[in-house]
Amino acid sequence: SQTIHQWPATLVQPVGSPLSLECTVEGTSNPNLYWYRQAAGRGLQLLFYSVGIGQISSEVPQNLSASRPQDRQFILSSKKLLLSDSGFYLCARRGANTEAFFGQGTRLTVV
Amino acid sequence: GDSVTQMEGPVTLSEEAFLTINCTYTATGYPSLFWYVQYPGEGLQLLLKATKADDKGSNKGFEATYRKETTSFHLEKGSVQVSDSAVYFCALSERTGRRALTFGSGTRLQVQP
Repeated sequence: SQTIHQWPATLVQPVGSPLSLECTVEGTSNPNLYWYRQAAGRGLQLLFYSVGIGQISSEVPQNLSASRPQDRQFILSSKKLLLSDSGFYLCARRGANTEAFFGQGTRLTVV
Repeated sequence: GDSVTQMEGPVTLSEEAFLTINCTYTATGYPSLFWYVQYPGEGLQLLLKATKADDKGSNKGFEATYRKETTSFHLEKGSVQVSDSAVYFCALSERTGRRALTFGSGTRLQVQP
């Protein structure tokens, strides 16, 4: 089966600290991968997508960056967190029929 | 660009009531349409999908029909249960380019016993 692993599940970080969220995918090769953010009580905003190793497209200007060092690994990072970076971060891969399959998410609280 | 509009919640129903959550979309071309469900503290799960006009997606008693003429994909269930309490997201998928999902803002459903 194809599985998406995200960690950590929850994270509390002080303003100005760095961030690294990891997502790994099992059971498929060369997947399209995505990072979404869900702010409290709102829908999902696409942050980054990747069609292959080293290929990252950013959807919105922001304090975050993404990298894809391996085919099945997608990392979301920040050098210095802001309060506005708080939210629920979801990694997803594209399915065969254009649907998306999501990991369990990471809830980030910046204090 | 593409967009999805959902009815605002929360929607509060009694158990066994009929559910409708409205969803309309704006897109160029012919997107695929989806409903996702999010339970508290969890990621999104695909509930159902439809890939072309007049397709009906169904799963776990939920149904939605792809209506091209009204650009709608309303979610329905004949008899809701307490366990259906969750946030429901309507989404469309681009067929080219990023091939990412565009989501509505979500509708919270609360089912009371």
